[in-house]
Amino acid sequence: AQSVTQLDSQVPVFEEAPVELRCNYSSSVSVYLFWYVQYPNQGLQLLLKYLSGSTLVKGINGFEAEFNKSQTSFHLRKPSVHISDTAEYFCAVSEAGGGNQFYFGTGTSLTVIP
Amino acid sequence: NAGVTQTPKFQVLKTGQSMTLQCAQDMNHEYMSWYRQDPGMGLRLIHYSVGAGITDQGEVPNGYNVSRSTTEDFPLRLLSAAPSQTSVYFCASSPRDRGTETQYFGPGTRLLVL
Repeated sequence: AQSVTQLDSQVPVFEEAPVELRCNYSSSVSVYLFWYVQYPNQGLQLLLKYLSGSTLVKGINGFEAEFNKSQTSFHLRKPSVHISDTAEYFCAVSEAGGGNQFYFGTGTSLTVIP
Repeated sequence: NAGVTQTPKFQVLKTGQSMTLQCAQDMNHEYMSWYRQDPGMGLRLIHYSVGAGITDQGEVPNGYNVSRSTTEDFPLRLLSAAPSQTSVYFCASSPRDRGTETQYFGPGTRLLVL
């Protein structure tokens, strides 16, 4: 089974500063990669996903992520965060040919400080 | 579209009681699933369905039953609640059973088992 690691459980950052949330996965096969965001007391919603092609993926709310196959990573970045970005962020992986089986990381809680 | 809806939002049960968590989607999605979210553990798949009449087990199925009699509804039944089932439960759906698909999540049901 896949293993998805989000090393940082909590990330505090000042407003307008850049942020990077890290995600590493274990699979040696082809994968699809996702970042979801969960605002307080809400369900998860998709930020962005990598299926194929360009390794730099742009998502909603100014977020982007870069797929690095050699390092099995899919780190999420934003050049300037806002208070409204305070939320829980989850990385998820599915395997090509593996149906709809998703493996989620444990989440990173991003707190933006005014 | 209402998307994915879940009821109830909150529930308190006593050990040994049974209950059903409701999930419905109005997007005509083939694939539906149930996850539980626990602190420090991310989301774990309980059961899933690739279409009406078809269900299968996920990573943590023990103590839960599901059925899918219609495309729209996918209820989760707790047979005899235990304190270990205290969690937040999310229902999700996607158009097809493929690892490339975006998952659409409901707002969650917060369950406390005493």
